[in-house]
Amino acid sequence: EAGVTQFPSHSVIEKGQTVTLRCDPISGHDNLYWYRRVMGKEIKFLLHFVKESKQDESGMPNNRFLAERTGGTYSTLKVQPAELEDSGVYFCASSQVGGEEAFFGQGTRLTVV
Amino acid sequence: GNSVTQMEGPVTLSEEAFLTINCTYTATGYPSLFWYVQYPGEGLQLLLKATKADDKGSNKGFEATYRKETTSFHLEKGSVQVSDSAVYFCALSAWGAQKLVFGQGTRLTINP
Repeated sequence: EAGVTQFPSHSVIEKGQTVTLRCDPISGHDNLYWYRRVMGKEIKFLLHFVKESKQDESGMPNNRFLAERTGGTYSTLKVQPAELEDSGVYFCASSQVGGEEAFFGQGTRLTVV
Repeated sequence: GNSVTQMEGPVTLSEEAFLTINCTYTATGYPSLFWYVQYPGEGLQLLLKATKADDKGSNKGFEATYRKETTSFHLEKGSVQVSDSAVYFCALSAWGAQKLVFGQGTRLTINP
């Protein structure tokens, strides 16, 4: 069974550009989460989808971040325009409804220069 | 709000040494507690978990006990190996696998 897959693994962009990160959850997992770790600090929650609906987006830092999960399968996280402080590792995780374990992808390392 | 505090790293030990990584939490109600590990070049993996007070989670020789009275979930291993070198994250969830709150991570290096 395939795990959670994230694309790309690394991205280096200039300030002001747009970047789109993708997450493919484990098949059948209705819950999908985005997290971010900035500068070696704690991993922080960004948002939570249940199927295609945003259940909780309280962690989204500002309106430059847009997350979508059309059709309730894969999800994208777009940053537009990117700022230097957006640099970090973005993790995606998925779980079954009622599940007690979230499965994480390898993360996308985003560097804004 | 909910929060997790874990000991700052980095931690460097010799092979076969005893390991403790401290983790304390603040939460309303009765959260589930987790330790995740990130090996070099890999994603986060669940190492162990405990869902109620006095539960002990264990895996790969690692153990942690859910201590409600001290709001702690310290990670221990009796004899570490070089292959245990990784970053360890303590985390809590108010319910099941929903919305995890993480500590800042502890980088562990084991020297042969």
